[in-house]
This record gives sequence, C-alpha cells and structure tokens, in this order.
Amino acid sequence: DAKTTQPPSMDCAEGRAANLPCNHSTISGNEYVYWYRQIHSQGPQYIIHGLKNNETNEMASLIITEDRKSSTLILPHATLRDTAVYYCIVRGMNTNAGKSTFGDGTTLTVKP
Amino acid sequence: DTGVSQNPRHKITKRGQNVTFRCDPISEHNRLYWYRQTLGQGPEFLTYFQNEAQLEKSRLLSDRFSAERPKGSFSTLEIQRTEQGDSAMYLCASSPEAGGVQTQYFGPGTRLLVL
Repeated sequence: DAKTTQPPSMDCAEGRAANLPCNHSTISGNEYVYWYRQIHSQGPQYIIHGLKNNETNEMASLIITEDRKSSTLILPHATLRDTAVYYCIVRGMNTNAGKSTFGDGTTLTVKP
Repeated sequence: DTGVSQNPRHKITKRGQNVTFRCDPISEHNRLYWYRQTLGQGPEFLTYFQNEAQLEKSRLLSDRFSAERPKGSFSTLEIQRTEQGDSAMYLCASSPEAGGVQTQYFGPGTRLLVL
C-alpha cells in the first residue's frame, strides 16, 4: 500500500471549513483513498473514500487531484466535536487487500 | 446492526500473565482485522482473517500472540506471558468480502495495561 504524508496538526475555527491535505504520490491505479478519524480513546471512524472522482457524504467531501497524487478532506462547517486525529490511507481494491497502513495522521483542533 | 464490539474495553494485568480479548464483527462481514495502537501513533496492522482462515500476519505478531476465528464469526486475540511493551490499545475491524471497495469498520478497542 502507498505511503501517505499529512501535516501533524491543524487548527480551525468553529463554523468554518476545515481542509485537511494528504499527499500520496506513489498511489497506484487500483488504490482507493480512505479517510478515518479517531476521537480520543475511541476506535477509528470511517469518514469517506474515493478512487478518482470527488465524493461527498453527510460527513465530509473528498477532493482528489486529477493525477491522484494528493487529496483534501473538507469538513464544511467544523464543530468542536470534529476535534480528532484524521488519518488518510490508501488501500488496494483487489480481493487480497488486507491491512490498512496508517501514518500518524493530522490532529485537527476546532476552536470556539 | 450494532457495529463491531470488543470485550473487555479495559484490561490491567501483571507482567507474565496471559490475556485474551474478544471481537465480534458486524454480522455478515467475512473479513476481520486486528491492529495495535500505542500512544501518539496510528494503528499498526497485526493480522487478518477471511472467514476462519488467517491470511496475513505482521512481523509485530510475535510467538506470544495468537489469534483465532474458529467459526468465521467472532475472533479472539491472546497474548501469553505479557510484557510491559504490550501495553497498547488493541483494535478490531471488519469488512465485507467484495471484489472492490472493502471499507473497514473499527470497534472501540481494548486498552491493555501491563504492570
């Protein structure tokens, strides 16, 4: 699985959009980009995933660049409860895909 | 569907004791994964099962660790002769078997403290 690079920390004002970047320059054509978040002392929570098109769900939007070497997770109106560690991972789609390789993620702090 | 559950949520043990954790995946999810997470780090893969078959094991899974999924439903992770370095959060995840997207859903974790 490809390695990802994320900034270690970011701040965001409550009510504003939080844009979390991720670099995955060695991603291969059959690998999806997944985002998870982990609130203190809980298990990682799935947010969204995508292959090459931009995706949106009730939690967030995912923007993937055309060359697929980077992506941005957007929380459109951040709340204090969005304070968490956000992980970007890439993972193959084939049937033998097993593990997910997590980096250290981005600690997002939403401030009032 | 209540999601992935793990028991116990917390475990304190003395060095040298054996511990066993249980994971109940989302029903009908064929794949089950174990990860370990230490403070300030992301989760690290340990092993995964497809049904009852253990398909991959990390080098992190020393001989003192054993995982089973006897009937392809719940799984257990046992650590024998625990060491202080085993103190961590042990996470379980499950995913449906599919040819394409295999989103993993995580449980709340079992936090182990070895004294």
